[in-house]
Amino acid sequence: EAGVTQFPSHSVIEKGQTVTLRCDPISGHDNLYWYRRVMGKEIKFLLHFVKESKQDESGMPNNRFLAERTGGTYSTLKVQPAELEDSGVYFCASSLWTAPNTEAFFGQGTRLTVV
Amino acid sequence: DAKTTQPPSMDCAEGRAANLPCNHSTISGNEYVYWYRQIHSQGPQYIIHGLKNNETNEMASLIITEDRKSSTLILPHATLRDTAVYYCIVRATGNQFYFGTGTSLTVIP
Repeated sequence: EAGVTQFPSHSVIEKGQTVTLRCDPISGHDNLYWYRRVMGKEIKFLLHFVKESKQDESGMPNNRFLAERTGGTYSTLKVQPAELEDSGVYFCASSLWTAPNTEAFFGQGTRLTVV
Repeated sequence: DAKTTQPPSMDCAEGRAANLPCNHSTISGNEYVYWYRQIHSQGPQYIIHGLKNNETNEMASLIITEDRKSSTLILPHATLRDTAVYYCIVRATGNQFYFGTGTSLTVIP
């Protein structure tokens, strides 16, 4: 069974440009999460989808970040325009159920560098 | 945001049991304790989770105190590949994982 897959693995962009990260969850997993670790900080929650609906987006830092999950399958996270402080590793995770006793499986992350 | 306290680092001899402690004194009755680890810069890897009872799987054992204010992750026979940062996480009912700073475990040959 394929795990959570993220594209690209690395991205280097200039400040002010746009970048779109993609996450393919485990097949059949309705719950999809985005997390990120910026330089020197802890891994932080960004948002949670249940199918195509945003269940919780309390961790989104500002309106430069836009997450979508059309059709309830893969998800994209767009950063527009990118700023230097957006550099870090962006992780996606998925889980089968919403219940808190259900483990989530993480992808390998996308390392974003804004120069 | 992190609801857990862990030692920043630990060493363990290869082949010995690694016991990683975690304090979560403010845990609520319906919150689960999860353990994940991160090897190098890979994505967090699920290890185990529990609510009240001790749990064991093929990777590790989780011992939760009766008052649920602390827990211990046990890797019964640590190998060099277990060197990683281990995160003890209390999962909120909103389903977020609060990662904290974790414990950097080094398995020594």
